[in-house]
Amino acid sequence: KNQVEQSPQSLIILEGKNCTLQCNYTVSPFSNLRWYKQDTGRGPVSLTIMTFSENTKSNGRYTATLDADTKQSSLHITASQLSDSASYICVVTPDNYGQNFVFGPGTRLSVLP
Amino acid sequence: DVKVTQSSRYLVKRTGEKVFLECVQDMDHENMFWYRQDPGLGLRLIYFSYDVKMKEKGDIPEGYSVSREKKERFSLILESASTNQTSMYLCASSLLTSGMYEQYFGPGTRLTVT
Repeated sequence: KNQVEQSPQSLIILEGKNCTLQCNYTVSPFSNLRWYKQDTGRGPVSLTIMTFSENTKSNGRYTATLDADTKQSSLHITASQLSDSASYICVVTPDNYGQNFVFGPGTRLSVLP
Repeated sequence: DVKVTQSSRYLVKRTGEKVFLECVQDMDHENMFWYRQDPGLGLRLIYFSYDVKMKEKGDIPEGYSVSREKKERFSLILESASTNQTSMYLCASSLLTSGMYEQYFGPGTRLTVT
């Protein structure tokens, strides 16, 4: 069964600190992996997309890594800001040109002043 | 910017009522989706549509139906609302970009069925 797991479920950090969120998947075959940010009361917004041939992708202070061999991805946030408080969702697509998105449950990040 | 709008941010309905959730996108996307989002679970696909008047069942279609009479509008219908349909409902539309589909989400409708 195609599944995406994320850890931790929730995380609290102080403003300015770095953090890393984890994603493990059992989706097969694998086409691409995305990280979304979902602010409270809003829909998810795409942060990064990586294909199986990419092992890192950055978007400002967000850096995603992918190890297709171990089926693991991480999202590293550098110098966190209060506006980073959100849920971060890992999404895996098993087929190219497909829209069969398999969503993880998300990690809830709280950044405190 | 792509804009996906949903008719209500919050909705409270009674058990047995017929409920309509409306979604509109302004970018002429052919594909539209309805998901529900529950705590501790990933988004789950209810229905999707590849074109006007076309619909496909997702992973959890039971208790729901959809309508797509115009390209920009995709409606989710709860024929007889039940308490287990209390959830956040997210609409999305998608566009093929650089060989991959990108989904754009609306803000969500938080539905409470009492």
